[in-house]
Amino acid sequence: GAGVSQTPSNKVTEKGKYVELRCDPISGHTALYWYRQSLGQGPEFLIYFQGTGAADDSGLPNDRFFAVRPEGSVSTLKIQRTERGDSAVYLCASSLMGTSGAESGANVLTFGAGSRLTVL
Amino acid sequence: AQKITQTQPGMFVQEKEAVTLDCTYDTSDQSYGLFWYKQPSSGEMIFLIYQGSYDEQNATEGRYSLNFQKARKSANLVISASQLGDSAMYFCAMREPPNQAGTALIFGKGTTLSVSS
Repeated sequence: GAGVSQTPSNKVTEKGKYVELRCDPISGHTALYWYRQSLGQGPEFLIYFQGTGAADDSGLPNDRFFAVRPEGSVSTLKIQRTERGDSAVYLCASSLMGTSGAESGANVLTFGAGSRLTVL
Repeated sequence: AQKITQTQPGMFVQEKEAVTLDCTYDTSDQSYGLFWYKQPSSGEMIFLIYQGSYDEQNATEGRYSLNFQKARKSANLVISASQLGDSAMYFCAMREPPNQAGTALIFGKGTTLSVSS
């Protein structure tokens, strides 16, 4: 697609429920990133995919959080047993590649509009 | 220690004036990239400008320029001729060399810019 698409845009759930958030990256982008942004804060890294594999999941806060990207395009972030502290905007981003040098500007991240999760 | 520090929670400027948003970073690597993103109230993160650690010239993109001072580890964003539409949250971010895992960006806490007429 033309941009990074995230669904749903808003999700309200009750504590303890299971939630899935979907990200459809820009066509041809091999790298995909999930971030979480709390109110008034900068985005916090969660997980990064290069192709189908999770290249770095060091930002996932605990084992209630899991993400998949089975065919190397669409990704789903899954949150089990949601807690009120999980309430945030979940941002997805993609880039053409993820593996060039850090000093290269080639891999600018393009972000989606985010999924706002509210856990009551 | 924080990797990216943005010390100005809020900045106020009048239309047509220039404004500088501060960013300092912390890394021991020689190879890294610095980015600025804008986040309007709609929530979408918009890429503005990029500076590579080996770039000798300061990056410029239209009204945006990046004042890169490597020895001071600062990468301030300068917006010239501010417009009302510049009112937004601005984030500085850094990418360090890819480890075995990847090359995700690390973001600062942001600065809110308010432009008045």
